[in-house]
Amino acid sequence: QVQLVESGGGVVQPGGSLRLSCAASGFSLSTHGMHWVRQAPGKGLEWVAVIFYDGTNKYYGDSVKGRFTISRDDSKNTVYMQMNSLRVEDTAVYHCARDPLPYSTGWYVDFWGQGTLVTVSS
Amino acid sequence: QSALTQPASVSGSPGQSITISCTGISSDIGSYNLVSWFQQYPGKAPKLLIYDVTKRPSGVSNRFSGSKSGNTASLTISGLQAEDEVDYYCCSYAGGSALVFGGGTKVTVL
Repeated sequence: QVQLVESGGGVVQPGGSLRLSCAASGFSLSTHGMHWVRQAPGKGLEWVAVIFYDGTNKYYGDSVKGRFTISRDDSKNTVYMQMNSLRVEDTAVYHCARDPLPYSTGWYVDFWGQGTLVTVSS
Repeated sequence: QSALTQPASVSGSPGQSITISCTGISSDIGSYNLVSWFQQYPGKAPKLLIYDVTKRPSGVSNRFSGSKSGNTASLTISGLQAEDEVDYYCCSYAGGSALVFGGGTKVTVL
């Protein structure tokens, strides 16, 4: 079955960096686009970024553009999110999620991981 | 990428039908049939209920249905049950290769 497991969260000071990982199993990662979506404590969902199945196209939400970088290593079945210049408002649970259409993008997600908590605080 | 607008809360009695609205603008919901809906239990990952406005993934109850009119999408839950008392989120393609979510709606079963 499809499984997505995030890791790499933790406590970091404002201005610091963190790299999140999303380990995928139960499907062929190389044929699917992948998204990151975050949820601040007690708040709603916010789309963060997407990387297409072939890694050539990457897009970001306005609030993270220029600070976050999404990447993938299909040989390791893993998607990453490098987060730099972190701000207090980046504090959230970060989920990775799969676009279900192989070799394409349906602009929706079906399976989600449980998420990893990032806390930005001095 | 402004968030889609959902009511903060919607309530109904067991067995009734309720509808959650999700209002966007002409460049997101109004331009694309790419609206999805998610159900989220506390502390859990969201679950996909509806995609492409009206389509239901395999395994999702047919008590959940989606629709769209103009810049507003809707999720209807029929035969309301106690287990439906959780949070619901809409999501739409926003153009410019981006997604946008709604603020979420808490459903209360009276």
